[in-house]
Amino acid sequence: QQQVRQSPQSLTVWEGETAILNCSYENSAFDYFPWYQQFPGEGPALLISILSVSDKKEDGRFTIFFNKREKKLSLHIADSQPGDSATYFCAARETNSAGNKLTFGIGTRVLVRP
Amino acid sequence: GALVYQYPRRTICKSGTSMRMECQAVGFQATSVAWYRQSPQKTFELIALSTVNSAIKYEQNFTQEKFPISHPNLSFSSMTVLNAYLEDRGLYLCGARGAYAEQFFGPGTRLTVL
Repeated sequence: QQQVRQSPQSLTVWEGETAILNCSYENSAFDYFPWYQQFPGEGPALLISILSVSDKKEDGRFTIFFNKREKKLSLHIADSQPGDSATYFCAARETNSAGNKLTFGIGTRVLVRP
Repeated sequence: GALVYQYPRRTICKSGTSMRMECQAVGFQATSVAWYRQSPQKTFELIALSTVNSAIKYEQNFTQEKFPISHPNLSFSSMTVLNAYLEDRGLYLCGARGAYAEQFFGPGTRLTVL
């Protein structure tokens, strides 16, 4: 059973639009949710993250909206740029997990057309 | 800033041979290191978690006999893929976590098995 689900699998937006990426999870114990951005041939780069005590986290054009009750979160990319074209992974971790075990979704591939 | 280096970036080995990959955290002390394998079919698979002063914990389907890991200090970890076969192909990622929640990944070591 997939513990972290992402949708859509792929998304195409025009430059300047807002891209919305969705993520949901099963484990109520998850309390830390990072989003990673990955370009082809590179490792995933930490983009933005949120703790479950917050319902919103903003960093420049990137915003996470978090709904603990529904176990859902979303990543909004405002004013999308062609350079934002990448695959975005939602991940989750529970505080009491040993070390740093993250559970990843399958990713959303974003294409921003100029 | 926090950086994670991995070496080599790419490697090709013959079926049945072994190869070693390295991971180094720069700019912070990695209190725990996680090794993942990323493949198109299975997204991120956690291989093992290595936490300072604790035993290395392997996930199901991964063993120390196949993927021995060394984590001698807070900035360096290495993993070997022994007797590599086709199913071991993929991008091997090292994720290092410091004192806070963030986990940073290296660029990965891409393993091709002939």
